[in-house]
Amino acid sequence: GAGVSQSPSNKVTEKGKDVELRCDPISGHTALYWYRQSLGQGLEFLIYFQGNSAPDKSGLPSDRFSAERTGGSVSTLTIQRTQQEDSAVYLCASSLNSGPYNEQFFGPGTRLTVL
Amino acid sequence: GIQVEQSPPDLILQEGANSTLRCNFSDSVNNLQWFHQNPWGQLINLFYIPSGTKQNGRLSATTVATERYSLLYISSSQTTDSGVYFCAVGNWEYGNKLVFGAGTILRVKS
Repeated sequence: GAGVSQSPSNKVTEKGKDVELRCDPISGHTALYWYRQSLGQGLEFLIYFQGNSAPDKSGLPSDRFSAERTGGSVSTLTIQRTQQEDSAVYLCASSLNSGPYNEQFFGPGTRLTVL
Repeated sequence: GIQVEQSPPDLILQEGANSTLRCNFSDSVNNLQWFHQNPWGQLINLFYIPSGTKQNGRLSATTVATERYSLLYISSSQTTDSGVYFCAVGNWEYGNKLVFGAGTILRVKS
């Protein structure tokens, strides 16, 4: 079956602009996670959604970052007023749920470059 | 928060050699995954192994949760095994958010 998909694969933007990154999880997966991978920080958790529960935003680095998940499926990560330090690869993952015995599967990522 | 340490940070092998990668973590976990990041950046799932031992072809992994470590064994290495290997841990009581180690960069020479 189809895996996790993300779009766009690459995004170049100017400092100060807003960007939206999209994630389509594996069909039937109720848990969805966003991570980012940057040279200085490695792979770090940003936010996660489980079903209709309020998202866990504990990893978001600033209030310029937000995310939505509509209809329990597709998610959008929005970065407002982008800064150069936001340049990174943004990875989305999904799992059947966030309980026991649940393996996370990752999408190919969106490489964001802020000029 | 939980700390994850991977060793060695870098490893160069001759094709055909065996290797062991280690992952230490600082607190109890009930999720542990090993990934291989390919040259295109895709994280490939190798093992979901919160405890016990699993094998898949030339790869095997063992997690001793009570002693807070996991090992990934690569036997008869091939050039296609090159890349970065990540260990990630989580606890489903806290939503299973994965905490990643810094990775081991593996280079297999022909």
